[in-house]
Amino acid sequence: DIVMTQSPDSLAVSLGERATINCKSSQSVLYSSNNKNYLAWYQQKPGQPPKLLIYWASTRESGVPDRFSGSGSGAEFNLTISSLQAEDVAVYSCQQYYRSPPTFGQGTRLEIK
Amino acid sequence: QVQLQESGPGLVKPSETLSLTCTVSGGSISSYYWTWIRQPPGKGLEWIGYIYYSGSTNSNPSLMSRVTISVDTSKNQFSLKLSSMTAADTAVYYCARAELGYYLDVWGQGTLVTVSS
Repeated sequence: DIVMTQSPDSLAVSLGERATINCKSSQSVLYSSNNKNYLAWYQQKPGQPPKLLIYWASTRESGVPDRFSGSGSGAEFNLTISSLQAEDVAVYSCQQYYRSPPTFGQGTRLEIK
Repeated sequence: QVQLQESGPGLVKPSETLSLTCTVSGGSISSYYWTWIRQPPGKGLEWIGYIYYSGSTNSNPSLMSRVTISVDTSKNQFSLKLSSMTAADTAVYYCARAELGYYLDVWGQGTLVTVSS
């Protein structure tokens, strides 16, 4: 299985500041034939199911605020929140869908400093 | 707007088989891959498997021998059976829609399943 490792495990950022979460895969999730990275990001608030934020590593899901962005390629990716809002407090997880079984990172808990 | 709702027992005895159903409303189950994921308390997400509306399935090798996923297109439902349950299977079980079998764009609210005698 492809192992997804996120860093840090937890992060505290001041309101209005930038938050960046890193996700590394144990092998590349870039499919060379279509030049797409098979990686998604999810946000999960307490007591709620995960919510899709980003897919294909950098495509924002409809309705997701543009302060959320995804970057990276191959085996290293970032999720960036450009200006942290109170409602962004959550656990963020990456997922690879390059190879079955799809696997998730352990999650990064984002809090307000 | 498509919505998913899991249903099934919240408590299962060790060695028994868990049966969960996911009802799809607001859209057709035809097309898309319909997926089961679970999350043990305080832990990360684990993909269990999916079924295409036509009936083809794919399951996590770590669970494959215990997993059965089926679909009933007439009821707009798909189901999960997980046999030989142990305490390690205690988790919130989610159903979700997988776009092209890849990323999960619609999720149910989840149902907590506890394995205990």
